Order: sequence, then structure tokens, then C-alpha cells
Amino acid sequence: DAGITQSPRHKVTETGTPVTLRCHQTENHRYMYWYRQDPGHGLRLIHYSYGVKDTDKGEVSDGYSVSRSKTEDFLLTLESATSSQTSVYFCAISEPGTSGSLYNEQFFGPGTRLTVL
Amino acid sequence: DAKTTQPTSMDCAEGRAANLPCNHSTISGNEYVYWYRQIHSQGPQYIIHGLKNNETNEMASLIITEDRKSSTLILPHATLRDTAVYYCIVRVLGFGNEKLTFGTGTRLTIIP
Repeated sequence: DAGITQSPRHKVTETGTPVTLRCHQTENHRYMYWYRQDPGHGLRLIHYSYGVKDTDKGEVSDGYSVSRSKTEDFLLTLESATSSQTSVYFCAISEPGTSGSLYNEQFFGPGTRLTVL
Repeated sequence: DAKTTQPTSMDCAEGRAANLPCNHSTISGNEYVYWYRQIHSQGPQYIIHGLKNNETNEMASLIITEDRKSSTLILPHATLRDTAVYYCIVRVLGFGNEKLTFGTGTRLTIIP
């Protein structure tokens, strides 16, 4: 398995509290992603990063912010958690192909189950 | 990225070949076909990808029709551990465009 860890793995919090999820990689991959997974929706991209301090929004970014101060860590923050943010959150990493190769599969972490009461 | 259509669920007997179809009729010439799977409660796992030629690796084979409007993922000898949700994704590859768009996939159940 790729060296990706997520912390915490499970969290229960209350509406209105701030929450930060951490994704840590040991692969030195340039790209990192945060997805959420909900029943009936598959995985949806929240934010992604293409380098240190370089981030961009995905399709469901409202209510979330991210930071990447070093290659190995990508943080997802819910400034004020809401019940609609109860979900399973997955981090992924990838490395663009080199020498003209476009081969760049994404490796996923084990997920964080977040419950907002 | 082009939209894909997959059956909601399929069953396959253990030891037989599992053939998972995917329609991507609006695929454009520079879009690749990717397959991932997700075993219960785990993160998705890359299986295989291709552009227009058939591809094979240690996990599966990918057959893409000549017009590229559909493809089939083949697991040659399915085992119980292959029970998972399988996602077919089409996407453009290139630096700065790494996003995956997951649909709801096909839930494959391997029957003992």
C-alpha cells in the first residue's frame, strides 16, 4: 500500500465546532486530494493541491478549506461543522508522469469517518 | 470529463470471469478510461486504465471498443475478495488536470 495515513480515523463532533482532518504521505507525491463519500453520490472532490501552498477547489468545496505547508501533509478544515458534512473523507495522492508519460494513478488513504451531531 | 453509465449491480460465480461493462458514448479523443474499485469501507484502489488499445495487468484486462464508446473490465478468475464496487471513469490526463470524477459504480458480488 502507498504510504498514506489519515487522522483521526473516526471523529464525532457537534455542529458549529471547527474540525481539522490530516492526510500524511511518505511518497513525496506532488498532488494531494480530499474527497468525501456519501451514499448515492460516490466520491466527490472537495479540494486538491498540486504543490506546497498551491491548492484549488473541487466540486463540493463550500464549507471547507485546505492548507498544504509541506509536501507530506494536506489538511482539511471545517471551520464550523454542519450535519451535512457528516461523511467519510478520503485523501488521495498522485504523481504526474515523467518523461512524457501520462500514467498517474491515484492512491487513496484509509478514510476518516466524521459524524457531526 | 465524459459521463459514464454502469449497471448498478452484478453477480458472478467464484472462479468464473467477471465482465463489467461501462458506456462512455461522449468520450473525446484525449480521454482515458480508468477503472477503480472500492472494497467495503476502504479507499478506492486503482485497477487499470487505457486509451484505445486493450490493456492487461496482473489484476484485470480492459477491452475498449473500436469506437471507444464502451469498455469492459474483465476479472479473469473472480474470487470472493473481488467483491467490491467498481468505478469506470473517463478523464483527460495532463499536468494540472488530475481530478477523478466518480459515479456510483457497479456493485459486484462474487457468489461462492
